Amino acid sequence: AQSVSQHNHHVILSEAASLELGCNYSYGGTVNLFWYVQYPGQHLQLLLKYFSGDPLVKGIKGFEAEFIKSKFSFNLRKPSVQWSDTAEYFCAVNAFGFTSGTYKYIFGTGTRLKVLA
Amino acid sequence: KAGVTQTPRYLIKTRGQQVTLSCSPISGHRSVSWYQQTPGQGLQFLFEYFSETQRNKGNFPGRFSGRQFSNSRSEMNVSTLELGDSALYLCASGPYYFGGGAHTEAFFGQGTRLTVV
Repeated sequence: AQSVSQHNHHVILSEAASLELGCNYSYGGTVNLFWYVQYPGQHLQLLLKYFSGDPLVKGIKGFEAEFIKSKFSFNLRKPSVQWSDTAEYFCAVNAFGFTSGTYKYIFGTGTRLKVLA
Repeated sequence: KAGVTQTPRYLIKTRGQQVTLSCSPISGHRSVSWYQQTPGQGLQFLFEYFSETQRNKGNFPGRFSGRQFSNSRSEMNVSTLELGDSALYLCASGPYYFGGGAHTEAFFGQGTRLTVV
């Protein structure tokens, strides 16, 4: 079945540490890839997205992600995290399902990041 | 521009009852998707409506249904509630049909927290 995997469920970092959150998907065709963030008490919002072109994409608040097609991965990175980055991060894929004949917007299970001041 | 509005924000229902949740998308958006969010499961896709038609459906039982009106507002109904239906229900809107492969972001509401007792 089509799926999106986020292997890190909980991550705790100190401020200024570097961050990398993993995301792998199981689709073989064309995919549109997204990272969303949910700050405490707020709605989900887009961090960045990739659908074509340069596989290294930059988003808001210093986040970036790299699409590696051969590894079916779209990992999120930030060189130096801040306390305000404490949130839950979701990887999402809009991919074509050969069974359904449509694209489906599928989310991973999320990674809770806590940044210690 | 107003964001996605979901009402009510909180609901407590008894097992066996039914419930209707409402979602008003961003003005001009014609796609409305519904997701169930639970800890450890991430966002599970329920269905997508576009131009008043259900275009895409996830793997949920028939107790979960929805509809979309001509002004793009959408309602989701859950009949014969079960304890396991307790979750945060999120609505997302977009200008295009995500099931057609649109790579635009999904704009989320703050959700309706449903508790079944």
